[in-house]
Amino acid sequence: SQELEQSPQSLIVQEGKNLTINCTSSKTLYGLYWYKQKYGEGLIFLMMLQKGGEEKSHEKITAKLDEKKQQSSLHITASQPSHAGIYLCGADVLSNTGKLIFGQGTTLQVKP
Amino acid sequence: SQTIHQWPATLVQPVGSPLSLECTVEGTSNPNLYWYRQAAGRGLQLLFYSVGIGQISSEVPQNLSASRPQDRQFILSSKKLLLSDSGFYLCAWSRGPAAVTQYFGPGTRLTVL
Repeated sequence: SQELEQSPQSLIVQEGKNLTINCTSSKTLYGLYWYKQKYGEGLIFLMMLQKGGEEKSHEKITAKLDEKKQQSSLHITASQPSHAGIYLCGADVLSNTGKLIFGQGTTLQVKP
Repeated sequence: SQTIHQWPATLVQPVGSPLSLECTVEGTSNPNLYWYRQAAGRGLQLLFYSVGIGQISSEVPQNLSASRPQDRQFILSSKKLLLSDSGFYLCAWSRGPAAVTQYFGPGTRLTVL
């Protein structure tokens, strides 16, 4: 069974619009990682969250981890075509083992 | 700075042929190394991980094997490829096992015909 659910599966937004991608688990997340992937390429690390309630930002991308450490969101403000790609959340659900499971990914298209 | 390389970038192989994919890391020592497969519609799946030379843990029973002959070299192999082995193979490294960011290579696209 899929332990990490991402929503939506795909997203098309107009340039300049805000958007949010969610990542949910039924288990406690000991480390939550957000990556971005261009099709056919490797994953680029965006941010890592560990503590309940933690929030991090990098340029126009903000990631949050809820207090229960079971849900994370990735928010992009004023989207640009360069934000297009596949966003994946990965998590360590086995208490700091380093073995990550990943969500199915969210494909983002930004229309100029 | 650290870099991770994967070779080859793309590969087309017939069913039943052997496989060898290579991953090398530069700029760090004693990294943890990982092999993932990304298959269409099935997300990213951890196949093997290694905490040191000769130390390999398998996560999923399958037709593949992994080896770590040197500190910064990780090899994914198969004696006889199956159609189901097709996919995008990603290698990753981290500084340690617990709650430490994994950094990914550019990947190898494998098509088995």
